[in-house]
Amino acid sequence: NAGVTQTPKFRVLKTGQSMTLLCAQDMNHEYMYWYRQDPGMGLRLIHYSVGEGTTAKGEVPDGYNVSRLKKQNFLLGLESAAPSQTSVYFCASSYSATLGGLDFGNGTRLTVT
Amino acid sequence: AQKITQTQPGMFVQEKEAVTLDCTYDTSDPSYGLFWYKQPSSGEMIFLIYQGSYDQQNATEGRYSLNFQKARKSANLVISASQLGDSAMYFCAMREGLLNNAGNMLTFGGGTRLMVKP
Repeated sequence: NAGVTQTPKFRVLKTGQSMTLLCAQDMNHEYMYWYRQDPGMGLRLIHYSVGEGTTAKGEVPDGYNVSRLKKQNFLLGLESAAPSQTSVYFCASSYSATLGGLDFGNGTRLTVT
Repeated sequence: AQKITQTQPGMFVQEKEAVTLDCTYDTSDPSYGLFWYKQPSSGEMIFLIYQGSYDQQNATEGRYSLNFQKARKSANLVISASQLGDSAMYFCAMREGLLNNAGNMLTFGGGTRLMVKP
């Protein structure tokens, strides 16, 4: 029972490099989300998706792009990493927009030097 | 204005005692939901309890209960009989717009670090 799986778990990038974080869920959830968590702070929504082929901006979308080509996968891309993007990234999914909570992955710790 | 405010950055509680973690929220939406999540040092986010704005009774889940005071816009988490394993960060979160099906986006507070003393 995998739930929400994020890869990789850790990554170190140099400023200007690009990378993609992968989120996969096996619960057939419609909705998926990317959050970031900075030290001593709560989670902030980067982008989200309400179904396959859809994406929308959250609270802090600048510097990130996302894609949801398959229902079970939600990719977060950084085209040109900056030190301000050093954070822990959480993917989450939910089956409903109004019922229940979110199922979270275990996070990806990204450091940009 | 902050939508979710947790005013206690850190708290200590003696093992086996009860503790209340504060959360106040700000919304003009009549239909919303409030959540509490636990984040242990290992980093995962664990769902604890949920309260809907129209729920008549306060939510309870085992040792967790939510003290929901709608007029005061507060949703405090009460943990009874604290255990050493309760030491963690606790986040209060809110979901608005339950009637427009726009997506299950949560807004989080800054968290409270709870430390349980043996």
